[in-house]
Amino acid sequence: GENVEQHPSTLSVQEGDSAVIKCTYSDSASNYFPWYKQELGKGPQLIIDIRSNVGEKKDQRIAVTLNKTAKHFSLHITETQPEDSAVYFCAASWDSSYKLIFGSGTRLLVRP
Amino acid sequence: DGGITQSPKYLFRKEGQNVTLSCEQNLNHDAMYWYRQDPGQGLRLIYYSQIVNDFQKGDIAEGYSVSREKKESFPLTVTSAQKNPTAFYLCASSPSEKLFFGSGTQLSVL
Repeated sequence: GENVEQHPSTLSVQEGDSAVIKCTYSDSASNYFPWYKQELGKGPQLIIDIRSNVGEKKDQRIAVTLNKTAKHFSLHITETQPEDSAVYFCAASWDSSYKLIFGSGTRLLVRP
Repeated sequence: DGGITQSPKYLFRKEGQNVTLSCEQNLNHDAMYWYRQDPGQGLRLIYYSQIVNDFQKGDIAEGYSVSREKKESFPLTVTSAQKNPTAFYLCASSPSEKLFFGSGTQLSVL
């Protein structure tokens, strides 16, 4: 079955710097790749997603890139702010399975 | 106010006891899910339901049971057969692949 690996597990950056989180997936049939942000004590919230027919997608300060050949995708956050501090999860799914397989999460700390 | 409501926020289970976690949504989504989250780990799928009166096991269904008698409700029972139930439980609903999560229930063993 599908397996998603996420790195790094923790990431500390200075406010204003960029942050990059990377994920790899194992099933080449996967075609949907969302990113979720989870704040302490809350449920994850979808922040951006990408499908396999697109190489890059941007939404203000966040962007996601996908390399289907290498089977990896990345989240890029520019001009980081303290409110970006949270746990970020990548995930993958295929066709209409409606089953997301999640990575293990990255705890991002943005230092003021 | 639309969304997904999980209750209770905190729950304690005694040895040999079954406990039920509530999940209600008013988003009119067909699909609903239960995930388990352990510290430092990703979310693991327990059960999911794509339509009323139908549900499927996820990757870690042993020791858990669910029902889907109404579109709005998808309760999860943690049975005494689940030997390590301490975790953060997340319910989600979706109209497609995009999941909308509740705020979670923290279950602990006394």
